[in-house]
Amino acid sequence: DAGITQSPRHKVTETGTPVTLRCHQTENHRYMYWYRQDPGHGLRLIHYSYGVKDTDKGEVSDGYSVSRSKTEDFLLTLESATSSQTSVYFCAISVDSYYNEQFFGPGTRLTVL
Amino acid sequence: SQQGEEDPQALSIQEGENATMNCSYKTSINNLQWYRQNSGRGLVHLILIRSNEREKHSGRLRVTLDTSKKSSSLLITASRAADTASYFCATGEAAGNKLTFGGGTRVLVKP
Repeated sequence: DAGITQSPRHKVTETGTPVTLRCHQTENHRYMYWYRQDPGHGLRLIHYSYGVKDTDKGEVSDGYSVSRSKTEDFLLTLESATSSQTSVYFCAISVDSYYNEQFFGPGTRLTVL
Repeated sequence: SQQGEEDPQALSIQEGENATMNCSYKTSINNLQWYRQNSGRGLVHLILIRSNEREKHSGRLRVTLDTSKKSSSLLITASRAADTASYFCATGEAAGNKLTFGGGTRVLVKP
């Protein structure tokens, strides 16, 4: 599993509250990613990071921010959660910067009421 | 928008049969990858095929790539109940750091 953990694994929150999801890796890989998975949409990239303090937007970044102050941790923040952000969130790391073979964490199921 | 589109969306077969699923994409790619996802779990990397390769094997998996048709297929031979999962293709458009995933094919292997 490439030493990837996500926390929390499940969360229920109210609309308008801030939420932070954490992805932790133990192998010092440079590239890290946050995806969301919804029925009918597959996996969609939210944000990714190519190093400490180096991040960029994916295709569905609105309403999300990220931070990476240490190589091992990549945080995803929903500043003010909305019901449309109810989803399963996956973190991934890349072990090959050229072909970008990715390894995924176990996921966080987030419900926004 | 999705780069890869899998077909069929769902597939039901008997144990021992072969399962074939296809992936079509729209732009030029550097590589195409297939992933498996068991229910409630994260994705697991299965196989990667480079744009200059046409076929690749890994155990019971066979992947083909036709860049002229912008399509790939994943064949699982002699399927087992444990192969029940969703299968996703993902394309890398250039040597770089992003993949684009398709919507997946749900495979049910009945014992």
